[in-house]
Amino acid sequence: AQSVTQLDSQVPVFEEAPVELRCNYSSSVSVYLFWYVQYPNQGLQLLLKYLSGSTLVKGINGFEAEFNKSQTSFHLRKPSVHISDTAEYFCAVSPWMDSSYKLIFGSGTRLLVRP
Amino acid sequence: DTGVSQDPRHKITKRGQNVTFRCDPISEHNRLYWYRQTLGQGPEFLTYFQNEAQLEKSRLLSDRFSAERPKGSFSTLEIQRTEQGDSAMYLCASSPLAGAPGETQYFGPGTRLLVL
Repeated sequence: AQSVTQLDSQVPVFEEAPVELRCNYSSSVSVYLFWYVQYPNQGLQLLLKYLSGSTLVKGINGFEAEFNKSQTSFHLRKPSVHISDTAEYFCAVSPWMDSSYKLIFGSGTRLLVRP
Repeated sequence: DTGVSQDPRHKITKRGQNVTFRCDPISEHNRLYWYRQTLGQGPEFLTYFQNEAQLEKSRLLSDRFSAERPKGSFSTLEIQRTEQGDSAMYLCASSPLAGAPGETQYFGPGTRLLVL
Protein backbone atom coordinates (compact mmCIF):
# COMPACT_ATOMS: atom_id res chain seq x y z
CA ALA A 1 0.00 0.00 0.00
CA GLN A 2 1.02 3.58 -0.53
CA SER A 3 0.65 6.62 1.68
CA VAL A 4 1.57 10.29 1.43
CA THR A 5 2.42 12.51 4.36
CA GLN A 6 2.26 16.26 4.30
CA LEU A 7 3.36 17.19 7.78
CA ASP A 8 2.53 20.88 7.56
CA SER A 9 -1.20 21.55 7.51
CA GLN A 10 -0.63 25.27 7.09
CA VAL A 11 2.38 27.34 6.07
CA PRO A 12 2.21 31.12 6.54
CA VAL A 13 4.76 33.16 4.63
CA PHE A 14 5.27 36.78 3.67
CA GLU A 15 5.00 37.89 0.07
CA GLU A 16 8.25 37.59 -1.92
CA ALA A 17 9.72 35.15 0.62
CA PRO A 18 10.79 31.65 -0.40
CA VAL A 19 8.69 28.66 0.58
CA GLU A 20 9.05 24.90 0.81
CA LEU A 21 6.11 22.54 1.20
CA ARG A 22 7.13 19.12 2.39
CA CYS A 23 5.94 15.79 1.06
CA ASN A 24 7.07 12.32 2.07
CA TYR A 25 5.67 9.09 0.75
CA SER A 26 5.71 5.43 1.63
CA SER A 27 5.51 2.72 -0.99
CA SER A 28 6.81 -0.79 -1.57
CA VAL A 29 6.80 -0.18 -5.33
CA SER A 30 8.00 2.63 -7.54
CA VAL A 31 5.63 5.56 -7.93
CA TYR A 32 5.04 8.60 -10.03
CA LEU A 33 4.82 11.83 -8.05
CA PHE A 34 2.57 14.84 -8.47
CA TRP A 35 1.80 18.20 -6.94
CA TYR A 36 -1.66 19.69 -7.42
CA VAL A 37 -2.98 23.08 -6.32
CA GLN A 38 -6.56 23.82 -5.33
CA TYR A 39 -7.76 27.42 -5.37
CA PRO A 40 -11.03 28.26 -3.58
CA ASN A 41 -14.08 27.06 -5.48
CA GLN A 42 -11.96 25.55 -8.22
CA GLY A 43 -10.85 22.07 -9.17
CA LEU A 44 -7.39 20.69 -8.58
CA GLN A 45 -4.81 21.87 -11.10
CA LEU A 46 -1.56 20.07 -11.85
CA LEU A 47 1.54 22.04 -10.86
CA LEU A 48 4.16 19.49 -11.84
CA LYS A 49 4.94 15.80 -11.94
CA TYR A 50 7.91 13.48 -11.77
CA LEU A 51 7.87 10.44 -14.02
CA SER A 52 11.56 9.70 -14.61
CA GLY A 53 14.84 11.35 -15.50
CA SER A 54 16.10 14.50 -13.82
CA THR A 55 15.08 14.61 -10.20
CA LEU A 56 14.50 18.37 -10.34
CA VAL A 57 11.16 19.09 -11.93
CA LYS A 58 9.94 22.53 -12.94
CA GLY A 59 6.27 23.33 -13.07
CA ILE A 60 3.89 26.17 -13.67
CA ASN A 61 3.81 29.48 -11.80
CA GLY A 62 7.52 29.27 -10.89
CA PHE A 63 7.21 26.17 -8.72
CA GLU A 64 9.73 23.33 -8.72
CA ALA A 65 10.14 20.08 -6.83
CA GLU A 66 12.95 17.65 -6.22
CA PHE A 67 12.55 13.91 -6.04
CA ASN A 68 14.76 12.25 -3.43
CA LYS A 69 14.45 8.49 -3.65
CA SER A 70 16.58 7.70 -0.61
CA GLN A 71 14.49 9.99 1.58
CA THR A 72 11.25 9.17 -0.23
CA SER A 73 10.50 12.87 -0.48
CA PHE A 74 9.17 15.22 -3.12
CA HIS A 75 9.27 18.70 -1.62
CA LEU A 76 7.78 21.66 -3.47
CA ARG A 77 9.62 24.99 -3.58
CA LYS A 78 9.21 28.49 -4.88
CA PRO A 79 11.89 31.15 -4.49
CA SER A 80 9.49 34.09 -4.19
CA VAL A 81 5.77 33.74 -3.49
CA HIS A 82 2.92 36.05 -4.44
CA ILE A 83 -0.38 36.75 -2.76
CA SER A 84 -2.03 34.81 -5.58
CA ASP A 85 -0.20 31.63 -4.51
CA THR A 86 -2.49 31.39 -1.48
CA ALA A 87 -4.19 28.02 -1.96
CA GLU A 88 -4.24 24.38 -0.84
CA TYR A 89 -1.43 22.23 -2.18
CA PHE A 90 -1.66 18.46 -2.47
CA CYS A 91 1.10 15.95 -3.02
CA ALA A 92 0.08 12.68 -4.68
CA VAL A 93 1.58 9.41 -5.86
CA SER A 94 0.52 6.88 -8.46
CA PRO A 95 2.05 3.37 -8.36
CA TRP A 96 3.81 2.30 -11.54
CA MET A 97 2.24 -1.13 -11.62
CA ASP A 98 -1.34 -0.08 -10.88
CA SER A 99 -3.17 -0.02 -14.20
CA SER A 100 -5.84 2.28 -12.79
CA TYR A 101 -3.26 5.09 -12.49
CA LYS A 102 -5.32 6.40 -9.61
CA LEU A 103 -3.86 9.13 -7.43
CA ILE A 104 -3.18 8.71 -3.72
CA PHE A 105 -3.17 12.11 -2.06
CA GLY A 106 -1.73 13.57 1.09
CA SER A 107 -3.90 15.62 3.42
CA GLY A 108 -2.78 18.90 1.91
CA THR A 109 -0.90 22.01 2.99
CA ARG A 110 -2.58 25.39 3.05
CA LEU A 111 -0.17 28.08 1.88
CA LEU A 112 -1.10 31.47 3.27
CA VAL A 113 0.82 34.36 1.72
CA ARG A 114 0.68 37.58 3.70
CA PRO A 115 1.48 41.06 2.37
CA ASP B 1 -11.22 22.16 -24.27
CA THR B 2 -13.85 23.51 -21.93
CA GLY B 3 -12.62 21.51 -18.97
CA VAL B 4 -14.34 19.00 -16.72
CA SER B 5 -17.73 20.18 -15.49
CA GLN B 6 -19.81 18.90 -12.60
CA ASP B 7 -23.42 19.46 -11.70
CA PRO B 8 -24.71 20.49 -9.26
CA ARG B 9 -21.98 22.44 -7.53
CA HIS B 10 -23.75 22.24 -4.20
CA LYS B 11 -26.36 19.86 -2.85
CA ILE B 12 -28.10 19.87 0.51
CA THR B 13 -30.24 16.87 1.32
CA LYS B 14 -31.86 15.19 4.27
CA ARG B 15 -30.60 11.90 5.64
CA GLY B 16 -32.18 8.98 3.85
CA GLN B 17 -32.73 10.77 0.54
CA ASN B 18 -31.12 9.75 -2.73
CA VAL B 19 -28.84 12.10 -4.64
CA THR B 20 -27.26 11.98 -8.09
CA PHE B 21 -24.29 13.92 -9.37
CA ARG B 22 -23.18 14.38 -12.95
CA CYS B 23 -19.73 14.76 -14.43
CA ASP B 24 -18.94 15.79 -18.00
CA PRO B 25 -15.32 15.01 -18.82
CA ILE B 26 -13.15 16.74 -21.37
CA SER B 27 -14.22 15.68 -24.82
CA GLU B 28 -12.62 12.43 -26.03
CA HIS B 29 -11.03 11.66 -22.68
CA ASN B 30 -11.35 7.93 -22.24
CA ARG B 31 -10.71 7.68 -18.51
CA LEU B 32 -12.98 9.13 -15.87
CA TYR B 33 -12.33 9.05 -12.13
CA TRP B 34 -14.41 9.83 -9.06
CA TYR B 35 -12.79 10.95 -5.81
CA ARG B 36 -14.21 12.04 -2.47
CA GLN B 37 -12.68 14.79 -0.35
CA THR B 38 -13.72 15.33 3.25
CA LEU B 39 -12.89 18.42 5.24
CA GLY B 40 -9.20 18.75 5.97
CA GLN B 41 -8.26 15.72 3.92
CA GLY B 42 -6.96 15.04 0.46
CA PRO B 43 -9.12 13.43 -2.21
CA GLU B 44 -9.65 9.67 -1.94
CA PHE B 45 -10.19 7.43 -4.93
CA LEU B 46 -13.68 5.97 -5.33
CA THR B 47 -13.89 4.43 -8.79
CA TYR B 48 -12.86 4.83 -12.41
CA PHE B 49 -14.07 4.10 -15.92
CA GLN B 50 -12.28 3.24 -19.12
CA ASN B 51 -14.82 4.36 -21.72
CA GLU B 52 -18.10 2.86 -20.46
CA ALA B 53 -16.54 0.07 -18.41
CA GLN B 54 -16.20 0.51 -14.67
CA LEU B 55 -12.89 -1.19 -13.95
CA GLU B 56 -12.28 -0.65 -10.24
CA LYS B 57 -14.21 0.34 -7.16
CA SER B 58 -12.66 1.36 -3.86
CA ARG B 59 -13.72 -0.22 -0.59
CA LEU B 60 -14.97 3.28 0.27
CA LEU B 61 -17.73 2.75 -2.27
CA SER B 62 -20.40 1.01 -0.26
CA ASP B 63 -23.45 -0.71 -1.74
CA ARG B 64 -25.34 2.56 -1.45
CA PHE B 65 -23.11 4.10 -4.08
CA SER B 66 -23.41 3.41 -7.79
CA ALA B 67 -21.69 5.01 -10.74
CA GLU B 68 -22.36 4.76 -14.43
CA ARG B 69 -20.87 6.07 -17.62
CA PRO B 70 -23.28 5.22 -20.43
CA LYS B 71 -21.79 5.49 -23.91
CA GLY B 72 -18.45 6.46 -22.46
CA SER B 73 -19.27 10.14 -22.20
CA PHE B 74 -20.71 11.75 -19.07
CA SER B 75 -20.85 9.89 -15.77
CA THR B 76 -23.27 9.87 -12.87
CA LEU B 77 -22.65 9.03 -9.24
CA GLU B 78 -25.70 8.12 -7.19
CA ILE B 79 -25.86 7.80 -3.44
CA GLN B 80 -28.91 6.04 -2.04
CA ARG B 81 -30.20 6.49 1.50
CA THR B 82 -27.69 9.21 2.27
CA GLU B 83 -26.04 9.35 5.68
CA GLN B 84 -24.39 12.28 7.42
CA GLY B 85 -21.03 10.62 6.85
CA ASP B 86 -21.55 11.04 3.12
CA SER B 87 -21.12 14.80 3.48
CA ALA B 88 -18.05 15.65 1.39
CA MET B 89 -16.82 17.15 -1.84
CA TYR B 90 -17.17 14.73 -4.74
CA LEU B 91 -14.58 15.30 -7.43
CA CYS B 92 -14.51 14.05 -10.97
CA ALA B 93 -11.39 13.86 -13.12
CA SER B 94 -10.66 12.73 -16.65
CA SER B 95 -7.52 11.79 -18.53
CA PRO B 96 -6.91 11.49 -22.26
CA LEU B 97 -6.27 8.53 -24.52
CA ALA B 98 -6.35 5.10 -22.96
CA GLY B 99 -4.74 6.11 -19.74
CA ALA B 100 -0.99 6.00 -19.55
CA PRO B 101 1.34 5.86 -16.57
CA GLY B 102 1.76 9.27 -15.09
CA GLU B 103 -0.90 10.76 -17.34
CA THR B 104 -2.33 14.02 -16.07
CA GLN B 105 -5.80 13.89 -14.58
CA TYR B 106 -7.91 16.99 -15.11
CA PHE B 107 -10.27 17.76 -12.26
CA GLY B 108 -13.67 19.36 -12.21
CA PRO B 109 -14.73 21.91 -9.58
CA GLY B 110 -16.52 19.27 -7.52
CA THR B 111 -19.97 18.82 -6.03
CA ARG B 112 -20.23 19.69 -2.36
CA LEU B 113 -22.77 17.49 -0.58
CA LEU B 114 -24.21 18.28 2.82
CA VAL B 115 -26.44 15.69 4.44
CA LEU B 116 -28.57 17.04 7.27
